[in-house]
Amino acid sequence: DQQVKQNSPSLSVQEGRISILNCDYTNSMFDYFLWYKKYPAEGPTFLISISSIKDKNEDGRFTVFLNKSAKHLSLHIVPSQPGDSAVYFCAASAIGSNYKLTFGKGTLLTVNP
Amino acid sequence: DVKVTQSSRYLVKRTGEKVFLECVQDMDHENMFWYRQDPGLGLRLIYFSYDVKMKEKGDIPEGYSVSREKKERFSLILESASTNQTSMYLCASSLLVSGNNEQFFGPGTRLTVL
Repeated sequence: DQQVKQNSPSLSVQEGRISILNCDYTNSMFDYFLWYKKYPAEGPTFLISISSIKDKNEDGRFTVFLNKSAKHLSLHIVPSQPGDSAVYFCAASAIGSNYKLTFGKGTLLTVNP
Repeated sequence: DVKVTQSSRYLVKRTGEKVFLECVQDMDHENMFWYRQDPGLGLRLIYFSYDVKMKEKGDIPEGYSVSREKKERFSLILESASTNQTSMYLCASSLLVSGNNEQFFGPGTRLTVL
């Protein structure tokens, strides 16, 4: 049973345009959501997070939106750059879970020059 | 800067061999995790530990065991390697209490079992 779903395996955008990566979840006990970025042959690196008490968090070119009623979050990258090309993982943690993260399957973002 | 290091970047082993993957973190984190990453499957949790000598099974513990004798070191053991354990193995660590539940990852070990 997949609790965190990233339904788009890949996304291709032009440099300078907006990239929107989506994530859906099913577990209503999730209270913290994170996005990680992963380049090939490297470990994932933390990008941005959001608590369930917020609906938006912004850090430079990256903004995460959370819609609790729809159990949906999205990561917006504006403007997209070729260096943003990577696999993006959505992750969630639940209250009382010893800070375990449940990851989605990832979305490969390709930003074309 | 948090640093999580893994003993090998690439490893090739034979079916039936006992395999040890080592992970060390230098930030005094209580939690440590082992994941495997496979194409189309994302990151799946194998085992985690929230204290020395404490361990809990993750989502896919079968065929694996772990050891945490010191706070900074968390080892993943494949008792008898099989070809379906060919994968990228990622170690991570985090504070027991943190503002955003962020986990810090090592560079990964690409294990091939022949």
